[in-house]
Amino acid sequence: GQQVMQIPQYQHVQEGEDFTTYCNSSTTLSNIQWYKQRPGGHPVFLIQLVKSGEVKKQKRLTFQFGEAKKNSSLHITATQTTDVGTYFCAGPGGTNAGKSTFGDGTTLTVKP
Amino acid sequence: GAVVSQHPSWVICKSGTSVKIECRSLDFQATTMFWYRQFPKQSLMLMATSNEGSKATYEQGVEKDKFLINHASLTLSTLTVTSAHPEDSSFYICSAAGQGADTQYFGPGTRLTVL
Repeated sequence: GQQVMQIPQYQHVQEGEDFTTYCNSSTTLSNIQWYKQRPGGHPVFLIQLVKSGEVKKQKRLTFQFGEAKKNSSLHITATQTTDVGTYFCAGPGGTNAGKSTFGDGTTLTVKP
Repeated sequence: GAVVSQHPSWVICKSGTSVKIECRSLDFQATTMFWYRQFPKQSLMLMATSNEGSKATYEQGVEKDKFLINHASLTLSTLTVTSAHPEDSSFYICSAAGQGADTQYFGPGTRLTVL
């Protein structure tokens, strides 16, 4: 099945520094979704990107979908301690509506 | 956003017993529900996809006789871990999607510990 690769696996930053996680697929994705999972919590939907080259912003978070729709990135500007958690990208996992294949996630820790 | 609940939030059971986990969509009709398993520091692994009123579709390597899934209504799906063993200890998370929807909403998860 379709796979999405995510890097880095872990990222430790000082509060105020920027953070980026990357998601790559060997095949074209019809869409890509991003989730955040706080320690001990469940994944929370952040955003879905559909269009080639799409860029969306949510406050300090910037999401990009590559022109070829094979890669995506999430960039956080000036990280805060509330940003800690694991960020997952997810691509379509099949014909079932909503079925997703998750990347391995990037775990972000922020040192105050 | 849509709300999905799970019950129980955590459960501890003895090896050999069965455990039922409920997943409910509280404010929308979930034509499709997904069950995931997540081991510590790992990603979510899809176990099965269930559509209301039909048999669940299991991912490769997931035993359908061990993980029984029932999606009896548009708001409720259940996962029963039969004859649980310590290796079944994990975080089980359900998600739900409405008809034709690309977005899935996750429940809070159930942490299962088998002694």
